[in-house]
Amino acid sequence: AQTVTQSQPEMSVQEAETVTLSCTYDTSESDYYLFWYKQPPSRQMILVIRQEAYKQQNATENRFSVNFQKAAKSFSLKISDSQLGDAAMYFCAYRSAHSNYQLIWGAGTKLIIKP
Amino acid sequence: AAGVIQSPRHLIKEKRETATLKCYPIPRHDTVYWYQQGPGQDPQFLISFYEKMQSDKGSIPDRFSAQQFSDYHSELNMSSLELGDSALYFCASSLGLAGVGNEQFFGPGTRLTVL
Repeated sequence: AQTVTQSQPEMSVQEAETVTLSCTYDTSESDYYLFWYKQPPSRQMILVIRQEAYKQQNATENRFSVNFQKAAKSFSLKISDSQLGDAAMYFCAYRSAHSNYQLIWGAGTKLIIKP
Repeated sequence: AAGVIQSPRHLIKEKRETATLKCYPIPRHDTVYWYQQGPGQDPQFLISFYEKMQSDKGSIPDRFSAQQFSDYHSELNMSSLELGDSALYFCASSLGLAGVGNEQFFGPGTRLTVL
């Protein structure tokens, strides 16, 4: 069975600085997808960024980028130029490419932005 | 753009009562997923439907049942409610099991409180 681990329950960063959230996962599959979701206090689940395992290039979405290390089964999220609106819970999630299409979630990291 | 609609947004029930949560996917989406997120926890997959048929089953209690109707909306029926059922229930939809862009679009959630 696949598992996702986020070892940082909470992280804090000064506004305008850069922060990296860690995520590791365990799977025997070679084809899968990885996601970072943001859950602000409203508790709406918002997709931040996705990565296809077959792609070597790291995904980037504006100030958000990932460091995907397939061999190490690591998928970290880097947030540049942190803004107050980035404050939220961040969940790393895994999804198989060929079966069991449900998302498997990490425990989440609470990101605090210091003004 | 139309999003996933969930109703009701908030629900308060007594122990041993029943509850019905509804999910209306994005138009043309044929796949629905249900997740349960307890306080301070990551979401847990309950069940999913594709083209009105159950496609996958997770940690859904026997007291719960769900179905997807001909218009693709889905209902989660919860009976003999327990205090531990208090949670945020998310519905997500996608176009196809794999999803276009492999993305599941989340609704705002239904917050169920069992007293």
